[in-house]
Amino acid sequence: ETAVFQTPNYHVTQVGNEVSFNCKQTLGHDTMYWYKQDSKKLLKIMFSYNNKQLIVNETVPRRFSPQSSDKAHLNLRIKSVEPEDSAVYLCASSYNRGGAEQFFGPGTRLTVL
Amino acid sequence: GEKVEQHESTLSVREGDSAVINCTYTDTASSYFPWYKQEAGKSLHFVIDIRSNVDRKQSQRLTVLLDKKAKRFSLHITATQPEDSAIYFCAARSSGSWQLIFGSGTQLTVMP
Repeated sequence: ETAVFQTPNYHVTQVGNEVSFNCKQTLGHDTMYWYKQDSKKLLKIMFSYNNKQLIVNETVPRRFSPQSSDKAHLNLRIKSVEPEDSAVYLCASSYNRGGAEQFFGPGTRLTVL
Repeated sequence: GEKVEQHESTLSVREGDSAVINCTYTDTASSYFPWYKQEAGKSLHFVIDIRSNVDRKQSQRLTVLLDKKAKRFSLHITATQPEDSAIYFCAARSSGSWQLIFGSGTQLTVMP
């Protein structure tokens, strides 16, 4: 039963374009995350958002920015995509930030031509 | 920062046998160790976790062992079934850190 929703499922775009991905959770969780999963299935945390507090992984390029309207939504914007941004972007949520099970969405696959 | 190494990139077992996936971590302050499963074409879902105040946790056919001295933890699956076939990711988080650091994943194949 899906409780973390992501749109779109797939997106193909060209280098330099701006893209935006949406994520919504219906679990009433306080914390949401964005992860990047590359072609080798390696997972890297990008952002965490909790009680209007955003924490950024310092390795994430500045062209990436999360946007949240409330605790149930955390969108991801990429200002000017580059080929290395091709990946699956996974949104997740958890009850809180400390040691709680994370629930993942189905992912958005981005292909940059 | 924390690094998590997952030693087996692939693992094949026969249905009914046991499977063991091993991970090591570097940060002695790590205190939370979850495991996630990713079936083909699907997203991750949580399977089991262990905290540093215990060294063993079991849930049905899954057991997690934690050796804090060796900074090693492992997932044991008994009586494997074809539906256990998936990529399994271990992860670790240090106390006071917000980041869950994942291993590189182990593709488990259970052969009928």
